[in-house]
Amino acid sequence: AQKVTQAQTEISVVEKEDVTLDCVYETRDTTYYLFWYKQPPSGELVFLIRRNSFDEQNEISGRYSWNFQKSTSSFNFTITASQVVDSAVYFCALSEAGNTDKLIFGTGTRLQVFP
Amino acid sequence: DVKVTQSSRYLVKRTGEKVFLECVQDMDHENMFWYRQDPGLGLRLIYFSYDVKMKEKGDIPEGYSVSREKKERFSLILESASTNQTSMYLCASSLGAKSPTNEKLFFGSGTQLSVL
Repeated sequence: AQKVTQAQTEISVVEKEDVTLDCVYETRDTTYYLFWYKQPPSGELVFLIRRNSFDEQNEISGRYSWNFQKSTSSFNFTITASQVVDSAVYFCALSEAGNTDKLIFGTGTRLQVFP
Repeated sequence: DVKVTQSSRYLVKRTGEKVFLECVQDMDHENMFWYRQDPGLGLRLIYFSYDVKMKEKGDIPEGYSVSREKKERFSLILESASTNQTSMYLCASSLGAKSPTNEKLFFGSGTQLSVL
């Protein structure tokens, strides 16, 4: 069965601190996709990244970076030099290969960045 | 930009009422989804559809039904609303079979439903 675990329910940091959000997944599939979404107070989930199971390269996008490690079934997300605008709920999600695009979500991590 | 529009941001209904939540997407996406979001439980899939008039049960379909008569519209129906269906409901869409790989989902802003 597929499962996504985000053990951190809530994290609070002060602006400019670095913060890492953890994500551990379970799947029996050899081909799968991992995602991160951001949900700001407005409510609409915003796509951040998609990674397929055959691409273990880390990715950096501005202050955001992602560390994908198949050996530990983890797909962690780091925000460098956090800002107040980063305050949101962040969801990690898993999708099986195929064309249904169905996502299995973790329970989310609420990040609060204080000035 | 893809737009997924949910008809109501907030909705208050009484126990036993029939409730319709509407969702419209404007990018000719084949797949559409209904999730509910509850604190501590994340997002859970209720139903999804990969084509007009096609529907598949998600992880928590009990107490819900769906309708997809047109490609752009996907409705979630609570046949007889109950207090445990008070939740945030999120609609999403994705490209579907036109893409060879799993695509990202585009989400609406959600409908916060309160059943009294």
